[in-house]
Amino acid sequence: EVQLLESGGGLVQPGGSLRLSCAASGFTFSTFAMSWVRQTPGKGLEWVSGIGGGGDRTSYADSVKGRFAISRDKSKNILYLQMNRLRVEDTAVYYCAKDQADHDDSWTLEYWGQGTLVTVSS
Amino acid sequence: DIQVTQSPSSLSASVGDRVTITCRASQSISDFLNWYQQKPGKAPKLLIYSASNLQSGVPSRFRGSGSGTDFTLTISSLQVEDFATYYCQQSYSGATFGQGTVLEIK
Repeated sequence: EVQLLESGGGLVQPGGSLRLSCAASGFTFSTFAMSWVRQTPGKGLEWVSGIGGGGDRTSYADSVKGRFAISRDKSKNILYLQMNRLRVEDTAVYYCAKDQADHDDSWTLEYWGQGTLVTVSS
Repeated sequence: DIQVTQSPSSLSASVGDRVTITCRASQSISDFLNWYQQKPGKAPKLLIYSASNLQSGVPSRFRGSGSGTDFTLTISSLQVEDFATYYCQQSYSGATFGQGTVLEIK
């Protein structure tokens, strides 16, 4: 059974940093692209970033480019999102999600975690 | 970034109705278009991938069509469990979600 468990959310001041983690199990982690998607409470979805299965291909939404960094540890089956220079508008529930097909890097998101809340406020 | 515009933003319908939601991309995205369903307090669920392919386990009353810039999601006979929010997503260049369509019971 595929499981994705996010952690690391919390309250942070504007300008601060936070690192999210997503522990993955139930599939061959190194062969699937992974993404982070966020959702502002009561609002829509925003794809934040994705990383290929091999870890060498990354992509970011313009809204976070240069501030956020996605990475993965294949030995631990963990996906990360390092968030720097946080802004109030980054407040959201952050989901990690697994691509549908292996070796594809399509950002077609088949499995999702339960999300972790990040609140940026002074 | 490629923008995707979804319409309508909300829709009221009855059980048994046929409904259609549309999604338009700001440039051609071939068939790199997916549809998701989200219920309150839950993560989104993949319904349709590559514009017209039904995800495993999704009822056949859900149908996706389109290519290029214009896409549709049709639910042929609404069931109670279909009342939810629906999102389209382009995955041609990075990924972008539409604004969502809230499907409510009339």
